[in-house]
Amino acid sequence: DADVTQTPRNRITKTGKRIMLECSQTKGHDRMYWYRQDPGLGLRLIYYSFDVKDINKGEISDGYSVSRQAQAKFSLSLESAIPNQTALYFCATSDGVNAFFGQGTRLTVV
Amino acid sequence: GENVEQHPSTLSVQEGDSAVIKCTYSDSASNYFPWYKQELGKGPQLIIDIRSNVGEKKDQRIAVTLNKTAKHFSLHITETQPEDSAVYFCAAGNNNDMRFGAGTRLTVKP
Repeated sequence: DADVTQTPRNRITKTGKRIMLECSQTKGHDRMYWYRQDPGLGLRLIYYSFDVKDINKGEISDGYSVSRQAQAKFSLSLESAIPNQTALYFCATSDGVNAFFGQGTRLTVV
Repeated sequence: GENVEQHPSTLSVQEGDSAVIKCTYSDSASNYFPWYKQELGKGPQLIIDIRSNVGEKKDQRIAVTLNKTAKHFSLHITETQPEDSAVYFCAAGNNNDMRFGAGTRLTVKP
């Protein structure tokens, strides 16, 4: 089993719809992150959390929200999806030194 | 905040040759510089990292060098093999904030 699991792996949604991407981890790390990957732009940080009650904005948080339901779960929501949010999304955890990524969620907004 | 630039964006080498990927960063407070390898359909995986108190680190065929004065660091892969083909990301930051380069697509031709 993967240490960091993202669901769904692929999703196509319509403009204006609300969508949630979920992430769970079995590594026992306090730190969790959501990144967005676009061609030529690398990985950009959306939100991160260092604890269940801790939520922090990253580089590109506009249009996104997150929820840290438990140490092992960190979900990303798009309240009203728009086409330029089409991207590959990665969840990651960290022990404060190294980062461990999930396999990614490919989201397409049409 | 930190800004990381990575070059080249694509790199093609013959099997057995060496490959070098270079990154520069802007924030002198950054003290941790990891490199990630992303294979098709997978999330990035840490392959090697270096901290600011070290100038060079080696792990078999891969090595990373760091020049803190010039704010640049490089990944060196020797004796490249087809399975080294992937997208490589550099990153720079500290425990709280990590920024990624845009990635280098390395192709190793047999």
